Amino acid sequence: AQKVTQAQTEISVVEKEDVTLDCVYETRDTTYYLFWYKQPPSGELVFLIRRNSFDEQNEISGRYSWNFQKSTSSFNFTITASQVVDSAVYFCALRRGAEKLVFGKGTKLTVNP
Amino acid sequence: NAGVTQTPKFQVLKTGQSMTLQCAQDMNHEYMSWYRQDPGMGLRLIHYSVGAGITDQGEVPNGYNVSRSTTEDFPLRLLSAAPSQTSVYFCASSPLRGGRGEQFFGPGTRLTVL
Repeated sequence: AQKVTQAQTEISVVEKEDVTLDCVYETRDTTYYLFWYKQPPSGELVFLIRRNSFDEQNEISGRYSWNFQKSTSSFNFTITASQVVDSAVYFCALRRGAEKLVFGKGTKLTVNP
Repeated sequence: NAGVTQTPKFQVLKTGQSMTLQCAQDMNHEYMSWYRQDPGMGLRLIHYSVGAGITDQGEVPNGYNVSRSTTEDFPLRLLSAAPSQTSVYFCASSPLRGGRGEQFFGPGTRLTVL
C-alpha cells in the first residue's frame, strides 16, 4: 500500500524565519515519484517539484529547497526566510507508475508579518 | 491553451438530486482524474482514466460515475447527492509519458449538498 504522512497539521512562523515541512512516505515500489504542491488561500493547486526515486540529489530553487532521503523515506521541504506570500497549505504526494497520485493530508503554513 | 477547465465553480444541491461536474483539457493528455478535497483529509482519488473509453475506480468511488468518450472531456456524475458529498472537487490531467510528471489541476468546483 502507498501512503504519505505529513505529521505537521499546522505551522505558524514569523516572517523571515526558516521553516521545514516534513513528508514521510511508504511504498513497496522501486520506481516512484514524489511531489510537492502548494495550495494558496485562493484554492488552486500549484506544482512545486517532482523527484524520482533514482535521484536523491537535493534541490534548491530560490528560497525553496528539498531534501530527499530514501533511507528514511522522507522528502522534506524547507522555505528559507519565509514571507507572508508563502502562507498556504502544502501537500506532499507520491505517484506509482504513470498515473495514480496519493496525497498527504497537507500542512497549513501561516507566515505572520 | 486553457489548460484544465472545470464547470461550474460553485453548486448547491438538495439531497437526492443528480448533477454532472464538467472537466475538459486541451493539452491532449491521456490521463485524467477526479479528486475530492475535504478539510483535514487532503485530496482523495475518486475515479481516473488513462484514455478514451478506459476508466477505473480510485480510493473513494461510491456515489460517483465517470465516462471518457473523448480525450478532452472527463465528466463526473453524482447519481443521488448526499450531504457527505459536500466537498471541493478537482479534476487533473497529465501525459502518460514525457513532461515533468506533474498533474495539471483545474480550479476546482465547490459543491454543497443540503
